[in-house]
Amino acid sequence: QITLKESGPTLVKPTQTLTLTCSFSGFSLNASGVGVAWIRQPPGKALEWLALLYWNGDKEYSPSLKSRLTITKDTSKNQVVLTMTNTDPVDTATYYCAHSITVFGVISWFDPWGQGTLVTVSS
Amino acid sequence: QSVLTQPPSASGTPGQRVTISCSGSSSNIGRNTVNWYQHLPGTAPKLLIYGNDQRPPGVPDRFSGSKSGTAASLAISGLQSEDEAEYYCATWDDSPNVFHVFGTGTKVTV
Repeated sequence: QITLKESGPTLVKPTQTLTLTCSFSGFSLNASGVGVAWIRQPPGKALEWLALLYWNGDKEYSPSLKSRLTITKDTSKNQVVLTMTNTDPVDTATYYCAHSITVFGVISWFDPWGQGTLVTVSS
Repeated sequence: QSVLTQPPSASGTPGQRVTISCSGSSSNIGRNTVNWYQHLPGTAPKLLIYGNDQRPPGVPDRFSGSKSGTAASLAISGLQSEDEAEYYCATWDDSPNVFHVFGTGTKVTV
């Protein structure tokens, strides 16, 4: 059974760096086709994809947030970490991590997702 | 602002069929497969459809997906009260860089 759980601060001040950890079990991030994605949902708004880390170390970022995001992995701990610099109140959202599968190099999806963690950016 | 457009809302009575559209372009839906997610407030989003029309194990066959050109759709037949949720289409966009994108979301009311 694959499970993921997000952890991190519930409150950060504007301009601070936000660090979120996704702890997972039930799969290996070394396995071909596997990845971990980060997605967020501001209150009352739609889902927004942030970043994806692949089994081979490749990374992809949302173009609008690329300059502020860094995604890394600690394979020994089964964790993926997302760092967001220079936070702003508009970054207030529930942040989710999700297991990603890519097959045939072209078909991919996110399943399952973690329960999410609410982060508020406020002074 | 998302590059995938969905109607804000859809509704139906129990037993009816509801269809949700997802409009994109040649750089996203036109060249990549589409997934659909169901999201109930306070819970983790759930994968409903992957690869345009494939259902993961455990997803009822009342849910079906399709894609044509630069648009995709999700159909829910035999609508049930537990289907009341937000639904999102999602795919990859290849222009100019590769990135993933979710639709604007559709609230289904039963």
